[in-house]
Amino acid sequence: GDSVTQMEGPVTLSEEAFLTINCTYTATGYPSLFWYVQYPGEGLQLLLKATKADDKGSNKGFEATYRKETTSFHLEKGSVQVSDSAVYFCALSGAGGTSYGKLTFGQGTILTVHP
Amino acid sequence: GAVVSQHPSRVICKSGTSVKIECRSLDFQATTMFWYRQFPKQSLMLMATSNEGSKATYEQGVEKDKFLINHASLTLSTLTVTSAHPEDSSFYICSAIHQLTDTQYFGPGTRLTVL
Repeated sequence: GDSVTQMEGPVTLSEEAFLTINCTYTATGYPSLFWYVQYPGEGLQLLLKATKADDKGSNKGFEATYRKETTSFHLEKGSVQVSDSAVYFCALSGAGGTSYGKLTFGQGTILTVHP
Repeated sequence: GAVVSQHPSRVICKSGTSVKIECRSLDFQATTMFWYRQFPKQSLMLMATSNEGSKATYEQGVEKDKFLINHASLTLSTLTVTSAHPEDSSFYICSAIHQLTDTQYFGPGTRLTVL
């Protein structure tokens, strides 16, 4: 079945540091890939997504590129802020039919950014 | 933006009792909602797909008689944990797919503790 593997956390960085959170996946067909963020006390929010190979999703300074050859969707940000402290989830969604909307999540990575 | 609420946010119950959790899409209609379970420091696990007006579809290994799902309207799905036991203690999260935009929105989660 489908699966998502994220780098283990927690990740602790200083403000303005460069962030990378690795994500690799296994899936049949051509899944869509997502990064979700969960701030303390809030629900998951979609951060960015990519629906086909070589697509780059971006939002709020975060970027991730859908790499089919390496089955990866690594999250990057050039300069993190304290407000980026949250839990980040990589996820994939199947191509439709009975998989419509169903998300398979990675285990989540806790990011803490210090001033 | 679109909002999904869950009620209650926290619930503590005695072993053997039943607990109902509500998931509402506040400003949009959702034909499809999902229920996830999240264990501490682990990923979200999809439990079931809730479709308005029809029976829920459960993932493999999820007991449908224990986790009753009702999706009676386009804005409300309920999850009832029947005869709860301590091993059912977990964080339950719902999501709803916006009927018009196909975007998936998540609720803030419900913390269930069974004593």
